[in-house]
Amino acid sequence: DAGITQSPRYKITETGRQVTLMCHQTWSHSYMFWYRQDLGHGLRLIYYSAAADITDKGEVPDGYVVSRSKTENFPLTLESATRSQTSVYFCASRRTGNTGELFFGEGSRLTVL
Amino acid sequence: GQQLNQSPQSMFIQEGEDVSMNCTSSSIFNTWLWYKQDPGEGPVLLIALYKAGELTSNGRLTAQFGITRKDSFLNISASIPSDVGIYFCAGPSSGGYQKVTFGIGTKLQVIP
Repeated sequence: DAGITQSPRYKITETGRQVTLMCHQTWSHSYMFWYRQDLGHGLRLIYYSAAADITDKGEVPDGYVVSRSKTENFPLTLESATRSQTSVYFCASRRTGNTGELFFGEGSRLTVL
Repeated sequence: GQQLNQSPQSMFIQEGEDVSMNCTSSSIFNTWLWYKQDPGEGPVLLIALYKAGELTSNGRLTAQFGITRKDSFLNISASIPSDVGIYFCAGPSSGGYQKVTFGIGTKLQVIP
């Protein structure tokens, strides 16, 4: 079914390990985003991408790496996971144009032990 | 950067009651967006507002774009159990729609 999908939905890892969260969208939207959701902080932007091979930092980029070699994929990598990166991560996409409407995936819950 | 202050952060209401929540910004917004997040899901857009003073409805939901362009309100009338969730206000960060900033969210619980 068309839409935006994230994988894995749940992940437990250990401090220091590398983790990659995947995001795939079938709409060919230009913009893609990664947010993290934490109690007391709402949704905070980690990184975003305006098109393939164009990425930029959001509000909380430290400790994360992104890439966008294809329009439909926007993986988020934690190079050396820390406990403070335990969170729920949401990928989102948006059409080009001034609507501001984001379409979100179902989220990836990451626990770092 | 721009900050959105959303209140209340949580509320318990009786089924059938009306609900109000609001969002204020430290700077002017050209668009206000209201999202709802059901438990275990990603947020979904409810209402988008593009003009100061605009009042827009979506079923039992009504949202208003404040005249000062620094605030917005969301009202839910005659609440039902499926209204449970987290409601977020959001708006584009300065510089355009490339980045969308979200408020902290209002967690709504409806008592049947």
